[in-house]
Amino acid sequence: KNEVEQSPQNLTAQEGEFITINCSYSVGISALHWLQQHPGGGIVSLFMLSSGKKKHGRLIATINIQEKHSSLHITASHPRDSAVYICAVLDRDDKIIFGKGTRLHILP
Amino acid sequence: DAGVIQSPRHEVTEMGQEVTLRCKPISGHNSLFWYRQTMMRGLELLIYFNNNVPIDDSGMPEDRFSAKMPNASFSTLKIQPSEPRDSAVYFCASSPLGQSYYGYTFGSGTRLTVV
Repeated sequence: KNEVEQSPQNLTAQEGEFITINCSYSVGISALHWLQQHPGGGIVSLFMLSSGKKKHGRLIATINIQEKHSSLHITASHPRDSAVYICAVLDRDDKIIFGKGTRLHILP
Repeated sequence: DAGVIQSPRHEVTEMGQEVTLRCKPISGHNSLFWYRQTMMRGLELLIYFNNNVPIDDSGMPEDRFSAKMPNASFSTLKIQPSEPRDSAVYFCASSPLGQSYYGYTFGSGTRLTVV
C-alpha cells in the first residue's frame, strides 16, 4: 500500500466547476506539498502546509493532521488548470514521499 | 530571477555511455534536490544537498549514479554506464533551506532517453 494516496486518479470536469483533489497519508509528517505539473512537463510548487488552510487565487489547500488528509480545491475551474496535481509529504525523517498524482482535465 | 536552470533539456544516448545532467539552483538557495520521474514510479527523490553537502542519497538507484555539488551554484548528476531503464525525466529543484521549512522551485527537467 502506498504511503501517500491520491484520489481521484483522473478527473474530467466542465469549465467553472468546483474541483476537489484528495490526498491521504499514513506516516507522520512535518509538511505536505501540493505540486502542479503542466502538460509540457514543468513542475510548480503550489503550497506547502503543516496545518490549517492556505489560499492563493482560485486555489485552496487544507490539511487535517489528525485525520492525515489534505485537499486541494480549485474554484471556478478553467481549461488552463488542466494539469497533473501531485501531493507530496515530508516524513519525520525529512524524506519526501510522492503520491501518484491526479490528472485533471477541464473542458471548455 | 531565471529560476532553476537545467541542461540539457533533452538527451538521447546509447546504452553504456556516460550521461551528465547539470543544474544551476536559484541564487541564495541552500538546498538542492535531484528527482527522477517515470510513468511506472512517479516522482522519486534521488539525492539532496544542504550547503553543498550531500545529506541523503538513499534514493540513488545504484552505483552507476553519482551526484556532486562543487559549489553553491552548480550540481551534476552523472550516470555511468547508462542503461535503457534510466530513461526518465530528471528534475532538479532548490529551496532556501531544508525541505521542512519552505516550498521549492523546480527546473524544467532533462528528458533522458537511453537507447
